[in-house]
Amino acid sequence: AQSVSQHNHHVILSEAASLELGCNYSYGGTVNLFWYVQYPGQHLQLLLKYFSGDPLVKGIKGFEAEFIKSKFPFNLRKPSVQWSDTAEYFCAVPSSNTGKLIFGQGTTLQVKP
Amino acid sequence: DVKVTQSSRYLVKRTGEKVFLECVQDMDHENMFWYRQDPGLGLRLIYFSYDVKMKEKGDIPEGYSVSREKKERFSLILESASTNQTSMYLCASRTRQANTEAFFGQGTRLTVV
Repeated sequence: AQSVSQHNHHVILSEAASLELGCNYSYGGTVNLFWYVQYPGQHLQLLLKYFSGDPLVKGIKGFEAEFIKSKFPFNLRKPSVQWSDTAEYFCAVPSSNTGKLIFGQGTTLQVKP
Repeated sequence: DVKVTQSSRYLVKRTGEKVFLECVQDMDHENMFWYRQDPGLGLRLIYFSYDVKMKEKGDIPEGYSVSREKKERFSLILESASTNQTSMYLCASRTRQANTEAFFGQGTRLTVV
């Protein structure tokens, strides 16, 4: 069965620090990978997605992730975080035989000004 | 612009009440989902629907039921609300294609007293 695991539950960084959030997954079919973000008081929105093509995926607000190959982590990166990046981040994969999206436990990022 | 609209942002209900949470999407998506979001547990799937009148249990369906009489509307029902159902409830919709993202509503913060 597909699964997603995010090991960093709570990350605290200072502004301008580099960010890398881990996402491990198991996936049985064609690889499709998603990162979502939830800013305080807002709805979940797509940060970036990978489904084919260039393995380096660039998302909104300077975030990126690289698909190396199946079963390797799909980590979210940003070279220099800002206070406005304070949010909760979720990694997700679709179930291979249904339309479900399976989410990781989430990582709360707190950026100190 | 895709919209997923949940009928209430905040609800307070009494133990034992029957509670209805409504969700409407305007993009003709086949799949609709109800998730529950709790700190440290991420998003857990309660139920999802892949077509009108079709539904499938998610990871935590106990105490919940759903209804999808029209393609655009997906309702979550708490048959007899209990305090352990106090949570944030998120509705989402998505097409059947594996490489497409889900779109989320603003969430309903339900408190059962």
